[in-house]
Amino acid sequence: KNQVEQSPQSLIILEGKNCTLQCNYTVSPFSNLRWYKQDTGRGPVSLTIMTFSENTKSNGRYTATLDADTKQSSLHITASQLSDSASYICVVSPYNQGGKLIFGQGTELSVKP
Amino acid sequence: DVKVTQSSRYLVKRTGEKVFLECVQDMDHENMFWYRQDPGLGLRLIYFSYDVKMKEKGDIPEGYSVSREKKERFSLILESASTNQTSMYLCASSFTGIPLHFGNGTRLTVT
Repeated sequence: KNQVEQSPQSLIILEGKNCTLQCNYTVSPFSNLRWYKQDTGRGPVSLTIMTFSENTKSNGRYTATLDADTKQSSLHITASQLSDSASYICVVSPYNQGGKLIFGQGTELSVKP
Repeated sequence: DVKVTQSSRYLVKRTGEKVFLECVQDMDHENMFWYRQDPGLGLRLIYFSYDVKMKEKGDIPEGYSVSREKKERFSLILESASTNQTSMYLCASSFTGIPLHFGNGTRLTVT
């Protein structure tokens, strides 16, 4: 069964610190993997998109990595800010299945001053 | 900036009522999507549409229908609302078959 598992479920860090969020998936083969940021009361916003052949993709202080062999991805946030407090969702698109997406349950990040 | 606008942020309806959730996008996207988001379950696809008057069932279409009469507008219809349809509903649009831009959601409560 195609699954996307994220860890930790929630995380609290101090402002200025770095953190790494994990995403393990069983989807195979897959077309691309995305990380979304969802602020409270808002819709998800795409942070990064990686195809199966890419290892890393950055978007400002956000860096996503992908290891297609171990089926793992991580999202690293550098020098966290209060505005980084949000839910981060990992999404995998199975190969050749049109618009089907497999969503992880998200990691709730809270950045404290 | 792409805008996906959902007409209501919060909605409270009674069991058995017919409910319309409206979504409008301003980027001329062919593809539009409706998801529901529940704690612990993530986002689940209800329906998507790849063209005017065209629709495809997603993973959980039961109890829902959709309407796409114009390219920019995609409506989700709950024919007879039930309490288990209390949820956050998210609309999205894209040029491709993968949703890229999401609206801010409609939190529906069915009592």
